[in-house]
Amino acid sequence: EIVLTQSPDFQSVTPKEKVTITCRASQSIANTLHWYQQKPDQSPKLLIKYASQSFSGVPSRFSGSGSGTDFTLTINSLEAEDAATYYCHQSGTLPWTFGQGTKVEIK
Amino acid sequence: EVQLVESGGGLIQPGGSLRLSCAASGFIVSNSYMNWVRQAPGKGLEWVSVVYSGGSTYYADSVRGRFTISRDNSKNTLFLQMNSLRAEDTAVYYCVRGSNYYFDSWGQGTLVTVSS
Repeated sequence: EIVLTQSPDFQSVTPKEKVTITCRASQSIANTLHWYQQKPDQSPKLLIKYASQSFSGVPSRFSGSGSGTDFTLTINSLEAEDAATYYCHQSGTLPWTFGQGTKVEIK
Repeated sequence: EVQLVESGGGLIQPGGSLRLSCAASGFIVSNSYMNWVRQAPGKGLEWVSVVYSGGSTYYADSVRGRFTISRDNSKNTLFLQMNSLRAEDTAVYYCVRGSNYYFDSWGQGTLVTVSS
């Protein structure tokens, strides 16, 4: 099973600040890495597919990069509505797995 | 518009069985690969099972042999039959549509609580 490790687990950020979340895979997964946002009491929503492709309707301040084992989700100029938990997910090998999540709090 | 509506959750005793349903609209379930993903209270996401358009199924090790994923094409509905339930199966269960190996649509979830 491929283990995804996100860092940090928690981040408290001021509005307009830049946020960087990393996801490291236990073995190479090429670009089969996707990012989701889950707000409190809501279902997760897809943000980024295949490491760097923005999903339809997602604000341009969200971007992704990386390949192989190291990936990054960046939120440029954080807004209050971005308070959420962010998860990475790999679909390179079954069983598909998720990172443990990174909670982003607005200061 | 794609919609996924889960039902069937509830309180069940350890060792019991439960069947979850997911009514889909806006697309054809049998043309997609459909998943169940769960989230224990206050915890992260865990992929549970998938059924591909061709009918192949796969399961997480934690549920293999106890859970069965299926679909009813005439009703455009996905199911998850859960047997021999354990306390650690307590979670919100999401019905999720897969598209090119990412999860592009999620239901609102249904809560399963396994407790005596």
